[in-house]
Amino acid sequence: DAGITQSPRHKVTETGTPVTLRCHQTENHRYMYWYRQDPGHGLRLIHYSYGVKDTDKGEVSDGYSVSRSKTEDFLLTLESATSSQTSVYFCAIRFRELSGNTIYFGEGSWLTVV
Amino acid sequence: EDQVTQSPEALRLQEGESSSLNCSYTVSGLRGLFWYRQDPGKGPEFLFTLYSAGEEKEKERLKATLTKKESFLHITAPKPEDSATYLCAVQASNSGGYQKVTFGIGTKLQVIP
Repeated sequence: DAGITQSPRHKVTETGTPVTLRCHQTENHRYMYWYRQDPGHGLRLIHYSYGVKDTDKGEVSDGYSVSRSKTEDFLLTLESATSSQTSVYFCAIRFRELSGNTIYFGEGSWLTVV
Repeated sequence: EDQVTQSPEALRLQEGESSSLNCSYTVSGLRGLFWYRQDPGKGPEFLFTLYSAGEEKEKERLKATLTKKESFLHITAPKPEDSATYLCAVQASNSGGYQKVTFGIGTKLQVIP
């Protein structure tokens, strides 16, 4: 258990509405990530954070913003949801180990935009 | 551009029938290769990290190996509970500040009793 909690786990929203997904970690890890997973695609990085108020874009960041005001929370916001953002979203954290780094994932947030 | 290709896309095995999953990769300087297991409706569960060619790691019925171009996940005498999608990912040594990790699409394994 990597101590990651995502909320909500499931959400249905309408096109054009804002949506915020929350990722909460309990172990003060510096690096946090938001990925999306879609059929036919591997997990793709949306945004990441390397500390409080320190965030940057990943591969598929258009239409998404993030915020990290506390070490333990990393928020992903869809400013105006579109059907193409229907996906499952995973938060992840990076563990620093003796031999290198490993990324651990949360349980996912299933978002449907209708 | 870093690439990860997993094969086969799907694999059906009888219980006890050993096999291997393949992960071929192209990366500029490998920093790490990761294997994950993902059950339906769940997040990826970390299995192994391999760092250099020749390295091997084992966990129960699973054994991961690494060469300069590919990795194999060997499954010995699988059981139905090993049914899942197995994901491979690579991290390049020059991936920048966010330590970019490139994922494959996965191999969906079904083990029949």
